[in-house]
Amino acid sequence: QVQLVQSGSELKKSGASVKISCKASGYSFTSYGVNWVRQAPGQGLEWMGRINTNTGIPTYAQGFTGRFVFSLDTSVGAAYLQITSLRAEDTAVYYCGRVGYASGNRWIDPWGQGTLITVSS
Amino acid sequence: QSALTQPASVSGSPGQSITISCTGTNGDIGGYSYVSWYQQHPGKAPKLMIYDVVNRPSGVSDRFSGSQSGNMASLTISGLQPEDEADYYCTSYVRNSILVFGGGTRLTVL
Repeated sequence: QVQLVQSGSELKKSGASVKISCKASGYSFTSYGVNWVRQAPGQGLEWMGRINTNTGIPTYAQGFTGRFVFSLDTSVGAAYLQITSLRAEDTAVYYCGRVGYASGNRWIDPWGQGTLITVSS
Repeated sequence: QSALTQPASVSGSPGQSITISCTGTNGDIGGYSYVSWYQQHPGKAPKLMIYDVVNRPSGVSDRFSGSQSGNMASLTISGLQPEDEADYYCTSYVRNSILVFGGGTRLTVL
């Protein structure tokens, strides 16, 4: 079945970097883009952006430029989110989710299980 | 891009129907028919419940339905069940592969 499996929780110090993986299975990886969504503790879902898995071209939402980088390894069917210069406010669960429609980013399905990133000082 | 507007909370008794609204603008909801809804239970990943305003993915109960009028979309849950208690989020396509989420609605089944 179509699924996305993310890497495990991480505890990081302020100023460090982290790289989250999202491994896809059950479909042609380069046929559907991958979205990234952040959920801070007790808060709602926030769309961070999406990467076109065919071209590798990312689209970042406002507020997620600079320290946030989307990348791919199409040879293993994985997408990555790297966050540099971590701050306490980056503490959140990060989800990857497949673009639901091959020809456009109209919905997200399925979702990965989420990766908790905790940033301490 | 501003977030879509949802009520913070709604509630209903088992068996009743409730509707959650999601208000946007001509630049998002009103400009496209690409609204989706997600259910999220505590500590779990979101789950797609409705896509393209009115469509239910396979496996989603027909108690869930979606609609749109102008810049507002709605999710209706009929025959409320205890397991429907969760957070619900709407999303709309904006442009150039950009999505925007609503702030989320906490559904309490009394």
